[in-house]
Amino acid sequence: AQSVTQPDIHITVSEGASLELRCNYSYGATPYLFWYVQSPGQGLQLLLKYFSGDTLVQGIKGFEAEFKRSQSSFNLRKPSVHWSDAAEYFCAVGASGTYKYIFGTGTRLKVLA
Amino acid sequence: DAGVIQSPRHEVTEMGQEVTLRCKPISGHDYLFWYRQTMMRGLELLIYFNNNVPIDDSGMPEDRFSAKMPNASFSTLKIQPSEPRDSAVYFCASRRTGGNQPQHFGDGTRLSIL
Repeated sequence: AQSVTQPDIHITVSEGASLELRCNYSYGATPYLFWYVQSPGQGLQLLLKYFSGDTLVQGIKGFEAEFKRSQSSFNLRKPSVHWSDAAEYFCAVGASGTYKYIFGTGTRLKVLA
Repeated sequence: DAGVIQSPRHEVTEMGQEVTLRCKPISGHDYLFWYRQTMMRGLELLIYFNNNVPIDDSGMPEDRFSAKMPNASFSTLKIQPSEPRDSAVYFCASRRTGGNQPQHFGDGTRLSIL
């Protein structure tokens, strides 16, 4: 069965520091992978997506993610975090042939000034 | 482009009352999804439609929940009768056909059942 694991429930970083949020998935074939961000009181906003091709994907707001098939991972990175990046981040996997996503439980990011 | 529009943004009502949540998907999107988000269970898919037809309602918690999509630009999620455990944020999302198309989310309806 498909599943998504975000091992870190909370992460705290200082403003200007680098960031990596972890996401591991379980799926037999090549999945469609997504990262979304949710600010308080808002819906989920798409940061980036991976379907095929280049395994390093660039997204909005300076985020990038790398698909590593051997590790079943799709970690999100940002070289320098801004205070406005404080939010909850969700990884999701969509299987080919279905339009449903499986979401991870989310990682809440806190940014220290 | 207008995004997914949900109404109301907040709803507070008493147990036993009927609740209707509304969603207008992005024009041209032929898939519509209803999700529920709680602290305990995270983000759960309740039901999704394709071309106004329900495809998978396996996530609908029980018969008190129903969803309709009478046309391509409108969907409702109804709870009758409502219970305190239905308190959550309900999201609607839409997308185009095509495996590489992402889902676009509305801002949600925060529902509180007293």
